[in-house]
Amino acid sequence: DAGVTQSPTHLIKTRGQQVTLRCSPKSGHDTVSWYQQALGQGPQFIFQYYEEEERQRGNFPDRFSGHQFPNYSSELNVNALLLGDSALYLCASSFEPRANYGYTFGSGTRLTVV
Amino acid sequence: AQKVTQAQTEISVVEKEDVTLDCVYETRDTTYYLFWYKQPPSGELVFLIRRNSFDEQNEISGRYSWNFQKSTSSFNFTITASQVVDSAVYFCALSETGFQKLVFGTGTRLLVSP
Repeated sequence: DAGVTQSPTHLIKTRGQQVTLRCSPKSGHDTVSWYQQALGQGPQFIFQYYEEEERQRGNFPDRFSGHQFPNYSSELNVNALLLGDSALYLCASSFEPRANYGYTFGSGTRLTVV
Repeated sequence: AQKVTQAQTEISVVEKEDVTLDCVYETRDTTYYLFWYKQPPSGELVFLIRRNSFDEQNEISGRYSWNFQKSTSSFNFTITASQVVDSAVYFCALSETGFQKLVFGTGTRLLVSP
């Protein structure tokens, strides 16, 4: 049973470019959340998708957007990249009726903006 | 507002020593959930434990134990007879009912040397 799968593993982008990160949730999970983890910091909540809609959002600018597909997979898009967007981006999935029972995280995508 | 504080930035121990990682949280909610995650160098967050606010029983799982005290808003994690494989960054996190996002502390890096 595959866990949460994220792609790509690593990515280098130039300031001002746009990037799309992808996440496939654990089998049986229907909710996907995205987190940004800067070096030496704890993960920060970006947003959560359920039933193909953004349900909650953290304190991130509109440059960060996302999408959830009918198969529950999700994308995170970041426009107009800044050097400060360099971080590990983690995807977490959960099953809505038991959401607070636990979240399964992927290994993340390490984004470097130069 | 929710907040999680892990005051210990880094702890170094020698193998077989016991070590306690501290976690203090703030929340206005009466129903909430506390978590501990382990993050090895690979980056993936590995779920260790979930505790809800109504269950103050301490829990032991092998060499791991957790001490939840609502009176002091603390949820501390103890590793008994530490091993080199325990070396990782450990995060404490909080979520409130109806708000499924996780609020993480800044993490404690544990280094276990042989």
